Amino acid sequence: DAGITQSPRHKVTETGTPVTLRCHQTENHRYMYWYRQDPGHGLRLIHYSYGVKDTDKGEVSDGYSVSRSKTEDFLLTLESATSSQTSVYFCAISDYGGLDYGYTFGSGTRLTVV
Amino acid sequence: DQQVKQNSPSLSVQEGRISILNCDYTNSMFDYFLWYKKYPAEGPTFLISISSIKDKNEDGRFTVFLNKSAKHLSLHIVPSQPGDSAVYFCAASYNNAGNMLTFGGGTRLMVKP
Repeated sequence: DAGITQSPRHKVTETGTPVTLRCHQTENHRYMYWYRQDPGHGLRLIHYSYGVKDTDKGEVSDGYSVSRSKTEDFLLTLESATSSQTSVYFCAISDYGGLDYGYTFGSGTRLTVV
Repeated sequence: DQQVKQNSPSLSVQEGRISILNCDYTNSMFDYFLWYKKYPAEGPTFLISISSIKDKNEDGRFTVFLNKSAKHLSLHIVPSQPGDSAVYFCAASYNNAGNMLTFGGGTRLMVKP
């Protein structure tokens, strides 16, 4: 999607290894979010950021950490990957103006933990 | 406990007919609701939204209805087209600094030619 990119698009990793997913935006939006999508659960919020170095936990934050050292980058780290973290991860951005136009989502990262 | 629920995991309709997707919520603090559409291997894209001060919002073929007393919203697509085949998520928010959205589990819509 224009203005927001996620990397990598696909990753297979072994249980117990650390993994970092990257979200990069060029829109200068204040808010950034990490969601995971699982069948039957829709999209669940992992962590979000409301500014540089300002982050907070979402609904399913256990086992995940985040960092935002620059406006444009929001990193999601799985310190020690587990099979339950196999999922599709989406990054999203939104601006000060509220939710009139919703979030803009990235194309997702499909993570498989074996 | 899911605060936003889409009880129909899938829906199949004929091209040209109306598609009605439903969503229920439990948190009375929610005051803004959105619908997203998602194609395979892509991120969700924003479709339409409605504020709790309204009971209807229209955008072309898409109309969202909100019934606050029943804590229920629905998305109507008229007429349905094969290109509308996708997974639809409803989402809700209440006024907070994070603009955070809570999503339902999604409904897969299949529009048959």
